[in-house]
Amino acid sequence: SQQGEEDPQALSIQEGENATMNCSYKTSINNLQWYRQNSGRGLVHLILIRSNEREKHSGRLRVTLDTSKKSSSLLITASRAADTASYFCAIGYSGSARQLTFGSGTQLTVLP
Amino acid sequence: DSGVTQTPKHLITATGQRVTLRCSPRSGDLSVYWYQQSLDQGLQFLIQYYNGEERAKGNILERFSAQQFPDLHSELNLSSLELGDSALYFCASTTGTDEKLFFGSGTQLSVL
Repeated sequence: SQQGEEDPQALSIQEGENATMNCSYKTSINNLQWYRQNSGRGLVHLILIRSNEREKHSGRLRVTLDTSKKSSSLLITASRAADTASYFCAIGYSGSARQLTFGSGTQLTVLP
Repeated sequence: DSGVTQTPKHLITATGQRVTLRCSPRSGDLSVYWYQQSLDQGLQFLIQYYNGEERAKGNILERFSAQQFPDLHSELNLSSLELGDSALYFCASTTGTDEKLFFGSGTQLSVL
């Protein structure tokens, strides 16, 4: 399968702590994206990192990409209860959304 | 709000029946994607349309079909429904050149 493998499958932390999720893949990519899904809702795009980038920031989100290890990490700093959601990595094998393949997701629970 | 509209939000039907799910993309988006999300299969790409034409096919069953109309809205038709077709069905749209997807809130299909 070309989809990303995410770990952990589930993560539970206290409010204010940092949360780190990882995504690994098997072949060369064009880009890697992270999406969030609140329970029963649609996915929301968070951040895109290209294969020639190593790190990207967006507010409390930090994404890293290590193409030599074929892995990416999403760090959410100073987490809030509202961050409780499933987080998916999506592997872009081309420059088009057509080739986007989603991982199985990490369920993050932030306890107040 | 992503700007992608899906109807209905919930659908309950019986095995052997046929249903139609509807999606209106974001204003200006030419490309529509359909995904199926279930607990055991995760988020699976079904099919993509661009400006009325089929562009890519994923794990779509022969019992399923889709089309995109001149006004760019799309419909996903599911026939001879089985219990295993129960899932959350998402539509997503992009401009066509954009790499990220904008998702609707989904249609929860329950086949009894």
